[in-house]
Amino acid sequence: EVQLLESGGGLVQPGGSLRLSCAASGFTFTTYAMSWVRQAPGKGLEWVSCISGDGSDPYYADSVKGRFTISRDNSKDTLYLQLNSLRAEDTAVYYCAKNVPPETSKWFDPWGQGTLVTVSS
Amino acid sequence: EIVLTQSPATLSLSPGERATLSCRASQSVGRYLAWYQQKSGQAPRLLIYETSNRATGIPARFSGSGSGTDFTLTISSLEPEDFAVYYCQHRSNLWTFGQGTKVEVK
Repeated sequence: EVQLLESGGGLVQPGGSLRLSCAASGFTFTTYAMSWVRQAPGKGLEWVSCISGDGSDPYYADSVKGRFTISRDNSKDTLYLQLNSLRAEDTAVYYCAKNVPPETSKWFDPWGQGTLVTVSS
Repeated sequence: EIVLTQSPATLSLSPGERATLSCRASQSVGRYLAWYQQKSGQAPRLLIYETSNRATGIPARFSGSGSGTDFTLTISSLEPEDFAVYYCQHRSNLWTFGQGTKVEVK
């Protein structure tokens, strides 16, 4: 069974930093691109970032480019998202998701349970 | 970047009724559109990919159709567990979601 388990969320002050992790199991991690998708309280889904299976190609939404960094450790089957220069509008539940199929990475399946990031003074 | 617009924002129906949700793309996306279901307090779940293919374990009452710029998710007969928010999604250069349609109990 594929499982994705996020951790690392919490309360941080504006301008602060946080690192999110997503531990994956149940599939060959290196075969698949992985993404982060966030959801602000009471709002819809917003794709944030994606990284290729070998970690060589990162992609970012304009709203986080230059502030967030996606990475992965394929020896640990773990995905990361480094969040810097955080703003109030970054407050959201952050989900990690597996991109499928491996050839085109068009969809997200499955999703983790999410980790809440709150940016507030 | 392609913009996905979902309608209606809210759909008020009773169990057993048919639900028809719309997703319109700002330019053609071929058949490369997916639908997700998100129940309250839960992570989203992939329902339909490539317009009309049901994901693993998705009941047959869920169906998708369309092409180009206009797409539809149909729930043939609403079950109590189907009341949720539904999102469409597409990947062009990057990944985008529609703003969601909430299916609520009338």
